[in-house]
Amino acid sequence: QVLLQESGPGLVKPSETLSLTCTVSGGSISNYYWSWIRQPAGKGLEWIGRIYTSGSTYYNPSLKSRVTMSVDTSKNRFSLKLDSVTAADTAVYYCARGGAALDYWGQGTLVTVSS
Amino acid sequence: EIVMTQSPATLSVSPGERATLSCRASQGLGSNLAWYQQKPGQAPRLLIYGASTRATGIPARFSGSGSGTEFTLTISSLQSEDFAVYYCQQYNNWPPWTFGQGTKVDIK
Repeated sequence: QVLLQESGPGLVKPSETLSLTCTVSGGSISNYYWSWIRQPAGKGLEWIGRIYTSGSTYYNPSLKSRVTMSVDTSKNRFSLKLDSVTAADTAVYYCARGGAALDYWGQGTLVTVSS
Repeated sequence: EIVMTQSPATLSVSPGERATLSCRASQGLGSNLAWYQQKPGQAPRLLIYGASTRATGIPARFSGSGSGTEFTLTISSLQSEDFAVYYCQQYNNWPPWTFGQGTKVDIK
């Protein structure tokens, strides 16, 4: 059973950088796409971007100027950085396996942007 | 960006009844559509991909149909654990992949 676990600060100050890591267990991270999705409270899902284990990245144009994703195959994990955050970036952030349909998800982590 | 529109926003159904959820795309998707179920406080769970293929471990009472711009998720006989929010998601036109706004299935 593949398990994903998000980790990172739950509180980020405005204008700073949000940093999250997703650790994959129960399977290899190699040869898959891995994605980040977010969900503001009470709202729908937004795809942030995806990364292949080769390092190729594909970002949502609405966030592209602020997003960086990376992958560390030696540690079976991948990461998200979102720069210059505002209150609008407050959401539950999910990591998931897949570049299209997403078959395994982390439990999600709430990130609040507030001073 | 492809806009996904789900209807209805809320569907009230009695246990044992059939539920039919709709998803419409602003452009043709072929069969590149997935459905997810999300319960409160949980991550979404993949139900259907390729418009009609059930994901691993998904009960047969869940079925998907459609192609192009019109898609349907049918739950043949609602069980208590099926009351949740359902999202459709297109993966035909990047960027980006987009989700519908969700349909909440609640108890009538």
